[in-house]
Amino acid sequence: AQKITQTQPGMFVQEKEAVTLDCTYDTSDPSYGLFWYKQPSSGEMIFLIYQGSYDQQNATEGRYSLNFQKARKSANLVISASQLGDSAMYFCAMREKSDYKLSFGAGTTVTVRA
Amino acid sequence: DTAVSQTPKYLVTQMGNDKSIKCEQNLGHDTMYWYKQDSKKFLKIMFSYNNKELIINETVPNRFSPKSPDKAHLNLHINSLELGDSAVYFCASSPRDRLNYEQYFGPGTRLTVT
Repeated sequence: AQKITQTQPGMFVQEKEAVTLDCTYDTSDPSYGLFWYKQPSSGEMIFLIYQGSYDQQNATEGRYSLNFQKARKSANLVISASQLGDSAMYFCAMREKSDYKLSFGAGTTVTVRA
Repeated sequence: DTAVSQTPKYLVTQMGNDKSIKCEQNLGHDTMYWYKQDSKKFLKIMFSYNNKELIINETVPNRFSPKSPDKAHLNLHINSLELGDSAVYFCASSPRDRLNYEQYFGPGTRLTVT
């Protein structure tokens, strides 16, 4: 069964606007971590933000914030004030404490328009 | 001062050949991983080593054999290459016992089998 679901294959956003990337997950492990990675066209995987299952507050890192809704099992990424350099593929991933690998979603391609 | 390095970056070879991809990390992490990213950009774990011990071995053809000479190195050897092996292979590392620690990815090796 798919552990991470990203339902948006591609999105367009106007420069300086905010965009929300959806991510839902499935686990029965009470201890887990959720990650977002960015993959620009150059191919490298860049870590953006982390949210732990026991964290009380939503994670924020600069223009990135994570909208964590534990009961709904969702961990949406919000990118504020989009920049042209934000154009990339974004992956949501989960790591369960019982299993140390990262399980990735299918990714969402974001294209920022000037 | 590259954190996770992979060689080669590009590898073009013919079906039936044997090839290796090397990975080294200088972060002092004790766990290393191999991921495969297919043509649809889907990322999937292949193997993981912790202190030279194999801890994750997903359903991967036994033509793929990881080798970890020490905890800073994890190599991937592929025998009898097939067209379907064409993909980008990422090496990653992290401290095993810290769930909230992101995995650092190498730049990837693009393997093309003709």
